[in-house]
Amino acid sequence: QQQVKQSPQSLIVQKGGISIINCAYENTAFDYFPWYQQFPGKGPALLIAIRPDVSEKKEGRFTISFNKSAKQFSLHIMDSQPGDSATYFCAASMDAGGTSYGKLTFGQGTILTVHP
Amino acid sequence: DAGVTQSPTHLIKTRGQQVTLRCSPKSGHDTVSWYQQALGQGPQFIFQYYEEEERQRGNFPDRFSGHQFPNYSSELNVNALLLGDSALYLCASSLDENSGANVLTFGAGSRLTVL
Repeated sequence: QQQVKQSPQSLIVQKGGISIINCAYENTAFDYFPWYQQFPGKGPALLIAIRPDVSEKKEGRFTISFNKSAKQFSLHIMDSQPGDSATYFCAASMDAGGTSYGKLTFGQGTILTVHP
Repeated sequence: DAGVTQSPTHLIKTRGQQVTLRCSPKSGHDTVSWYQQALGQGPQFIFQYYEEEERQRGNFPDRFSGHQFPNYSSELNVNALLLGDSALYLCASSLDENSGANVLTFGAGSRLTVL
């Protein structure tokens, strides 16, 4: 059973535009929500992560918005650049104190293309 | 500082064969997790090793087994290969502490093709 649903599957944005990727989760025990970026031929790399005690986290051009009541979170990429073209995965897990160390549940991924 | 290294990068096997994939974690990391990434899909958790023991396991059959060595490196073994085992196998390492256990560093993966 898929526990993290990601949309859209693909996204095309013009340079300088805003890219928005959405995820929804089912398991209310999840308390750690990272986003990973994957380039072709490479493994996923951690981009930014959030815990449910905050509603927003910003790092440079990347922002996570988190809505605990709706069980949704999203990634916003401001001023999108061609170098941002990659596959983006949202994920979720239960963190410290739980029994799921390192067990991330990933969404299906979004292929982002930023046109110059 | 070397990150996570995996070998081989690509391999081709036939149905019914067995395969062993290897992973060296990032320097300073003591925990290794393995993920299977089918084409066009997100990675799926196979299992995690810590202190040379399997600590967590996902929904994968017993054909998938692993090992962690005293130097923290790890192997993933898959027996009786099926066509559906064709995928990118990712190794991820982390440091086992409360705030860091979920901060995974991934390798580039081993691409397995089963014919």
